[in-house]
Amino acid sequence: RKEVEQDPGPFNVPEGATVAFNCTYSNSASQSFFWYRQDCRKEPKLLMSVYSSGNEDGRFTAQLNRASQYISLLIRDSKLSDSATYLCVVRGSNYQLIWGAGTKLIIKP
Amino acid sequence: SQTIHQWPATLVQPVGSPLSLECTVEGTSNPNLYWYRQAAGRGLQLLFYSVGIGQISSEVPQNLSASRPQDRQFILSSKKLLLSDSGFYLCAWSVSQFGQYFGPGTRLLVL
Repeated sequence: RKEVEQDPGPFNVPEGATVAFNCTYSNSASQSFFWYRQDCRKEPKLLMSVYSSGNEDGRFTAQLNRASQYISLLIRDSKLSDSATYLCVVRGSNYQLIWGAGTKLIIKP
Repeated sequence: SQTIHQWPATLVQPVGSPLSLECTVEGTSNPNLYWYRQAAGRGLQLLFYSVGIGQISSEVPQNLSASRPQDRQFILSSKKLLLSDSGFYLCAWSVSQFGQYFGPGTRLLVL
């Protein structure tokens, strides 16, 4: 089993729709969780950290379920500019980041 | 504010040639520094990380090496490149328990 698993997609979604990404992790001792966004042929950029109580930043909502070892990212009212690959990242017990392979999102007009 | 620089942006090298990629960080002191490689359509693979000058930890055995001659400088090297070294090389920095921040990357093609 991979340490961090994501659906590779691609997700093809019409503009304005709501999109949900899911991610599972294997190490129950993980302490920190992040979502990154990576545009084609560019470096990953930190989108948001994921807190135990869940957190929201504009159209983006991240949630953590420690019991199920599950992280989610919700994008509401999706824009064309949201098209990218979304990477789920977990900080392991040795404090290094473990990266999911990413889910590709394509927003269509 | 902090910035991270990487160069060159792209590089085409023959098999067996040496490699030197440089990464520098500005606006922060004593950062943790990282080298990653991303193969086409794949996730990020951690190659090396450093918590201080001269301190390098290697995550995977390979023909690459890393050095940190100064606090905010991280260098990735190889004496002889292999075809399998082709990829997108990313340098990143972090402080404490927060996320990592990436440079623009170097796209390396070994022919």
